[in-house]
Amino acid sequence: DGGITQSPKYLFRKEGQNVTLSCEQNLNHDAMYWYRQDPGQGLRLIYYSQIVNDFQKGDIAEGYSVSREKKESFPLTVTSAQKNPTAFYLCASSIGPGGVGSPLHFGNGTRLTVT
Amino acid sequence: GIQVEQSPPDLILQEGANSTLRCNFSDSVNNLQWFHQNPWGQLINLFYIPSGTKQNGRLSATTVATERYSLLYISSSQTTDSGVYFCAVGSRGNYQLIWGAGTKLIIKP
Repeated sequence: DGGITQSPKYLFRKEGQNVTLSCEQNLNHDAMYWYRQDPGQGLRLIYYSQIVNDFQKGDIAEGYSVSREKKESFPLTVTSAQKNPTAFYLCASSIGPGGVGSPLHFGNGTRLTVT
Repeated sequence: GIQVEQSPPDLILQEGANSTLRCNFSDSVNNLQWFHQNPWGQLINLFYIPSGTKQNGRLSATTVATERYSLLYISSSQTTDSGVYFCAVGSRGNYQLIWGAGTKLIIKP
């Protein structure tokens, strides 16, 4: 079955450490996205990528970095510069940019806790 | 930029009831999607509906683009319908979806 796999489901890190969240899709989608969700809140866009080797900052990119070396993979690194990294992180993909003309599909998310 | 408002913010219903969730947006859109986030955080795309009406089982959605609103109808609610319903919109030339704050739905058995 096609889908988006995020790993791990739960992640615990000490303050000051960088951490990388994995996102893999086998839907053959061109566009991929990272969102952050805080408790009781909506989704905020961190980064998005429309094609391989290209990505753009979203609304809250500070303290995060991404790479898109393969169509299937879009890992997110939460750096020590991110002031409040504890959150629920969701990866998504769509056939075309911005989900225009096609629905946005999500992985099951990674809950990151930094202490 | 486009503003998205969802109403009501919270809704508590008994199992079997019907409900209507609303999404208002402030400008023309070429992309509108409804999502359901279950209590475990999983986000499911319900409808891609920039205009017109669609139905999927007990759920249906209507977008009236000229009047800048969309409605999500849930009939014969079940406890598994509980969660948060989000509306997200996009405009021509802008690849970012703008998200509403969501409607939290609780279905009591």
